[in-house]
Amino acid sequence: GQNIDQPTEMTATEGAIVQINCTYQTSGFNGLFWYQQHAGEAPTFLSYNVLDGLEEKGRFSSFLSRSKGYSYLLLKELQMKDSASYLCAVREAGGYNKLIFGAGTRLAVHP
Amino acid sequence: DAGVIQSPRHEVTEMGQEVTLRCKPISGHNSLFWYRQTMMRGLELLIYFNNNVPIDDSGMPEDRFSAKMPNASFSTLKIQPSEPRDSAVYFCASSPAGQGGGNTIYFGEGSWLTVV
Repeated sequence: GQNIDQPTEMTATEGAIVQINCTYQTSGFNGLFWYQQHAGEAPTFLSYNVLDGLEEKGRFSSFLSRSKGYSYLLLKELQMKDSASYLCAVREAGGYNKLIFGAGTRLAVHP
Repeated sequence: DAGVIQSPRHEVTEMGQEVTLRCKPISGHNSLFWYRQTMMRGLELLIYFNNNVPIDDSGMPEDRFSAKMPNASFSTLKIQPSEPRDSAVYFCASSPAGQGGGNTIYFGEGSWLTVV
């Protein structure tokens, strides 16, 4: 099975940088995904890591260490619109894109 | 391109009634997933299909829940009889075949169910 842990809530200031951590234990692993979910909306895909290292995508970056079962999402130059929940998800090996999600981290960005 | 389409968007029903949620996946996607999201339990995978065939329904909470996918462009999730604890947002998602590259799942806007 899968066990995915991430902080429940975080707060940050507009313009700052925030790092959201995710640790996982898995019986089979084929990729780690980050999704963003605004209140009342569906989750939307942000980033994907399958190899160790950093993937950068504009203001957002995601890092993966498979040996440590650890990932983080880095948000730079925070904007008010970044206030949302950020969901870490592990994809199981096996040929299907089955994602198991963590509980999510609610990020509040303040002026 | 049209995304995953779900209906109804909102439903309020009385305990004991049958609820049917519908989903149209993105055209060309081979896999379809039903998730449920609550504050207490987060986003839980209920069941998923590949090429219209159910692959894993171990997340379905009880026999009151059933799901079908009669063809590549339509799926239903049914709750009969419904109970207040079934109140949640039910998301349908679809994905292309294979795990290559960044293939991932794309969510519909969800069906917000309230059972009173």
